[in-house]
Amino acid sequence: GEDVEQSLFLSVREGDSSVINCTYTDSSSTYLYWYKQEPGAGLQLLTYIFSNMDMKQDQRLTVLLNKKDKHLSLRIADTQTGDSAIYFCAEIPLNDYKLSFGAGTTVTVRA
Amino acid sequence: NAGVTQTPKFRVLKTGQSMTLLCAQDMNHEYMYWYRQDPGMGLRLIHYSVGEGTTAKGEVPDGYNVSRLKKQNFLLGLESAAPSQTSVYFCAISSRAGAYGYTFGSGTRLTVV
Repeated sequence: GEDVEQSLFLSVREGDSSVINCTYTDSSSTYLYWYKQEPGAGLQLLTYIFSNMDMKQDQRLTVLLNKKDKHLSLRIADTQTGDSAIYFCAEIPLNDYKLSFGAGTTVTVRA
Repeated sequence: NAGVTQTPKFRVLKTGQSMTLLCAQDMNHEYMYWYRQDPGMGLRLIHYSVGEGTTAKGEVPDGYNVSRLKKQNFLLGLESAAPSQTSVYFCAISSRAGAYGYTFGSGTRLTVV
């Protein structure tokens, strides 16, 4: 969606950290999400963050939210080959229930 | 993608043919959605439903129709397929609040020649 922007590609060496960035325009967004799509599969919810939070950590995943800059990031520690996928940032604005997606960032993990 | 089943998984249509994609859920969620995914464009909402018997237009509804006669099923129809409708179609469901994101089906890959 045009309200959510992501870079299209990221190449990472196995074992390094990956950082995927996203910017959004709707300041009323209450929920922000990261989805993962493996080749030939549907979208899998990775993690989400409420707009009243700055950070959320879940095992190898760290989500950072900068509301002032409307910037969301997903950090994957110790990136593995199984992390190769397309990662989508998505938001739900206040008083809405429809997700708006970014174009997706294709992450390629190289040995 | 437990809970959301899409059929068929693949289909090739000739221009002008019609078809129906079926989405079935067993999670008793109120909200159901149809998205299309195209390279570099993310997912775009075609139509959605907030409950049995209701439908509404999304971002890119032209050329598609939908029906939700039963709560657990959401059908997407193409009356006269065009090559521009070549895409991967995803069905998704959510609870009323939608706070915990959507559950997606595994997709239908449609090619219109």
